[in-house]
Amino acid sequence: AQSVTQLGSHVSVSEGALVLLRCNYSSSVPPYLFWYVQYPNQGLQLLLKYTSAATLVKGINGFEAEFKKSETSFHLTKPSAHMSDAAEYFCAVTTYSSASKIIFGSGTRLSIRP
Amino acid sequence: NAGVTQTPKFQVLKTGQSMTLQCAQDMNHEYMSWYRQDPGMGLRLIHYSVGAGITDQGEVPNGYNVSRSTTEDFPLRLLSAAPSQTSVYFCASRGTSGSNTGELFFGEGSRLTVL
Repeated sequence: AQSVTQLGSHVSVSEGALVLLRCNYSSSVPPYLFWYVQYPNQGLQLLLKYTSAATLVKGINGFEAEFKKSETSFHLTKPSAHMSDAAEYFCAVTTYSSASKIIFGSGTRLSIRP
Repeated sequence: NAGVTQTPKFQVLKTGQSMTLQCAQDMNHEYMSWYRQDPGMGLRLIHYSVGAGITDQGEVPNGYNVSRSTTEDFPLRLLSAAPSQTSVYFCASRGTSGSNTGELFFGEGSRLTVL
């Protein structure tokens, strides 16, 4: 079975500062990992995904994440926060099987201070 | 493109009432799923389906039923609503094409209140 733990339900950074959102996973087989973003009163949209190719994955809006097997982590970063990045972010895990369910973490709400 | 369409967007029920949340997708996706979103708990998987006629339970299936008679539709049924089922519900679908690397496409959500 797979699971995801997101450390920190709320992260606040200043505009222009580094954004770091933490995600650790548990999986008995090699995982596929995703970060999704949810803006207020909307559904979720994909930021980026890791599917066993390059361990450093670049996504939309300047976000990237690095898969570290030894640490079972997939942390999301952005060098310089923008006000428009304020949203809730979810890490998700699944496996290679097309029948595998997709499990989400509890989410991290990102606030940006002017 | 319509994508994933959920109805209704808002619903208020009384305890014990039944209702069905509808979900339809026009992308010919094999995989469809229902999640509920509650503050501080993220998205929890209720039920999912990998094709017509095939459904399976997720993390929190109790109190919900699903069926998948067509590729396009995946309704979620509450047989006897309880206040604990007050939540925002999301339907999501994904193509499979022999792998599991595709992104989930989400509907806009259905906000359900049970009094």
